[in-house]
Amino acid sequence: DLTQAPSVSVSPGQTASITCSGDKLGDKYVSWYQQRPGQSPVLVMYQDKKRPSGIPERFSGSNSGNTATLTISGTQAMDEADFYCQVWDSSTALFGGGTKLTVL
Amino acid sequence: EVQLVESGGGLVQPGGSLRLSCAASGFTVINNYMSWVRQAPGKGLEWVSVIDSGGRTYYADSVKGRFTTSRDNSKNTLYLQMNSLRAEDTAVYYCARDEIFHYGSGMSYHYFDYWGQGALVTVSS
Repeated sequence: DLTQAPSVSVSPGQTASITCSGDKLGDKYVSWYQQRPGQSPVLVMYQDKKRPSGIPERFSGSNSGNTATLTISGTQAMDEADFYCQVWDSSTALFGGGTKLTVL
Repeated sequence: EVQLVESGGGLVQPGGSLRLSCAASGFTVINNYMSWVRQAPGKGLEWVSVIDSGGRTYYADSVKGRFTTSRDNSKNTLYLQMNSLRAEDTAVYYCARDEIFHYGSGMSYHYFDYWGQGALVTVSS
């Protein structure tokens, strides 16, 4: 199982940290998806810390021990969305429950 | 440009069947792994199935024996045949291109780099 906090709040311009916890998660690769209301998920991080083309540099990732973290530096209003972590385990994709990021 | 367009969603009674389609452009389905992921109303993402480049399929326990993933190479299209539908199958169904990365000794890691717009399936009487 992957555990995420249901919600995180951040002020514009500040740093948001969204975490994903699981047993020995650091031994696996983690992906992160951003889903804005009414839209499809978008890949924002893969292989723990690689950004797909088109994803702003303010998004970064890390993974160690039992926790993976997606960090958004200089958070903007447009970053408000649900974020999901994901791993691959035993021929199955597992998603975290999602974290709602509020920028206020 | 990579695009995935789902179709075939709708309202179906419990116990009924429905087939979703996912038309791909900008890449070749047969050369890639492809997955289906669903999202129940107001809930999180749940992986449903994957078909690999060799045509082998794998399913989540929740749909195993009821859902079948296939593809038509001539149409560059992915399908999800859903039988014996239940109320808990109500969700938006997304197709996604599934990128695979091999590492270590026999380890693999999948992530989803392109997603369709989704198709809503409602199972209700």
